[in-house]
Parts: sequence; structure tokens; C-alpha cells
Amino acid sequence: GDSVTQMEGPVTLSEEAFLTINCTYTATGYPSLFWYVQYPGEGLQLLLKATKADDKGSNKGFEATYRKETTSFHLEKGSVQVSDSAVYFCALPFSGGYNKLIFGAGTRLAVHP
Amino acid sequence: SQTIHQWPATLVQPVGSPLSLECTVEGTSNPNLYWYRQAAGRGLQLLFYSVGIGQISSEVPQNLSASRPQDRQFILSSKKLLLSDSGFYLCAWSFSAHNEQFFGPGTRLTVL
Repeated sequence: GDSVTQMEGPVTLSEEAFLTINCTYTATGYPSLFWYVQYPGEGLQLLLKATKADDKGSNKGFEATYRKETTSFHLEKGSVQVSDSAVYFCALPFSGGYNKLIFGAGTRLAVHP
Repeated sequence: SQTIHQWPATLVQPVGSPLSLECTVEGTSNPNLYWYRQAAGRGLQLLFYSVGIGQISSEVPQNLSASRPQDRQFILSSKKLLLSDSGFYLCAWSFSAHNEQFFGPGTRLTVL
């Protein structure tokens, strides 16, 4: 069945370090893929998305490329800031419809000055 | 543009008391609506979803229920809260034709 696997956190980085959060998926066909971000005490915000294979989603300096060969959608940022500290969720649509999403377990990122 | 509201923002309730959390969406019509729960330090658990007025699908059998009395209103309820109902409750909506969901600010529920 459909599933999303994210790297376990927490990920702890110093400011200006390079970030990678791994996400792999199992799905039927080539669904859209999403990254959501949750800042402390808030709801989730859509960070970026890719709707087809080889698409690159980008927003706020974050990027992720839809790799169908490796069924991956890794999140990257070249230089993280303290304000990027949050929990990041990878997600894909449930193949059974109703626009339900399947979320990964989330990866907590802590960036220190 | 569309906005989603949840209230209350925080709630502390004794075990055995009733619960009513409300979610409303503005700026769109006939959205799909979702209730999620997030336990402390954990991922998201889909509780209910609705594709129209009066239509509710339950994902996980539990102590909670949901209702959709109006097109853009989604309510999460319980008759008697349990300690295990504590958590962060998130409401979300999506366009019926699209996959991405948009989340509200959440309600933090503590059951004592």
C-alpha cells in the first residue's frame, strides 16, 4: 500500500549548515508529493510540492526533486537559519481518493546559532 | 483568498467532561474537511474526513465523533473525555479536485 518513510530526527545543525531530510515513498503510479512544515505550537503549512516526476519544488530556499527512479523526495536547503527550526513532514495522496494524504512521521530540525 | 479558523486555541478539560471543537473555512465552497490529532512529539493521525454536508467518514474507532452541519463548518465532539484524548487537534481543508490540504492553527487539548 501507499506509504511514506522519513529519516528519524531530531536533526541538529549549526546556522548556515547544509540540510538534507530524506523521504522515500511507496505508491501506485506517480502521485504529487508534498513537504509540510510545522513551527512550534502551530498548524502545518505547505512548504513545497512537485506534481510529476523530475519536477523540482522550491520555496523559502528549500528544494526537493521528485525522483521516480529512487522513489524519493528529499528536502534540501543550502544554508539553514535558526528560524527554520520546526518539524518537517513529507506527504503523498492516498490512492483511494477523497484527497486524503499519507504523512511521514515527521523530522524535527533544531538549528543553533 | 481562503482562511481556516479553529477554536478554542487551548482547552483544559476534566476526564469525563464533554468536548466540542469547531472549525470553519471561509472563501471557498464545498471543501473536503479533515480532523487530525497529533499526540505530543508524534506524527499526524487522521480521525475524520468529510466530502459534503452531513457526510462523515471515520478513520479510527474511538471516543470521538464529528459532524458537518454546514458546508464550511466541521465539529469534533466527545460525550466523555479520556486522558488519552489529550493532544493537538488540527482541522484541514482541500479543494475537492486537488490533493493539497490547508491546515488551521490547531487546538491544544489537555485532559486532566
